[in-house]
Amino acid sequence: TQLLEQSPQFLSIQEGENLTVYCNSSSVFSSLQWYRQEPGEGPVLLVTVVTGGEVKKLKRLTFQFGDARKDSSLHITAAQPGDTGLYLCAGSHTSGTYIYIFGTGTRLKVLA
Amino acid sequence: SAVISQKPSRDICQRGTSLTIQCQVDSQVTMMFWYRQQPGQSLTLIATANQGSEATYESGFVIDKFPISRPNLTFSTLTVSNMSPEDSSIYLCSGRQGSRGETQYFGPGTRLLVL
Repeated sequence: TQLLEQSPQFLSIQEGENLTVYCNSSSVFSSLQWYRQEPGEGPVLLVTVVTGGEVKKLKRLTFQFGDARKDSSLHITAAQPGDTGLYLCAGSHTSGTYIYIFGTGTRLKVLA
Repeated sequence: SAVISQKPSRDICQRGTSLTIQCQVDSQVTMMFWYRQQPGQSLTLIATANQGSEATYESGFVIDKFPISRPNLTFSTLTVSNMSPEDSSIYLCSGRQGSRGETQYFGPGTRLLVL
């Protein structure tokens, strides 16, 4: 059973546009992570959020954890072709566990 | 940080045979995991590789089909046994570091095609 739904599933935008990817669940997570994966490589961790309402920024990427810790969003400002990839959220239900469940994924393509 | 390598990077196998995938980490990690991923799709956790003991398998995965070893803190193997075309997938190894295992690193994956 997939517990983390991401939307949109696919996104193709022009360079310079802004976008938001959503990660939603009916379950509460103790922590949530976002990854980016490029073809032929493993996912690379971008951020971990642990507190409801927490906002973290990584250059042009802004990550937010929902107040109820059931959802999260990733906002990219002024997207660049280098942002192209598969974005995955992953949530952990129990504090201190190393087990994360991955979301359904969002495939982003940024056109030059 | 940790760099994870996997061997082989890809393979084409015949139905009914078995393939062992090796995972090597360049530094100690607290936990090691094996995932399966269909190209362009999400990751499904197969099992947690436990050092010196039997792996912990997720629902839908069994030891007879996916035997796993982890003889030390930096090395693990996953065997895909008695393969069928449905086993065609990308198999990823990962390791976690940090006091709460908050940082996870992935290998580049092993792309398996079963004919």
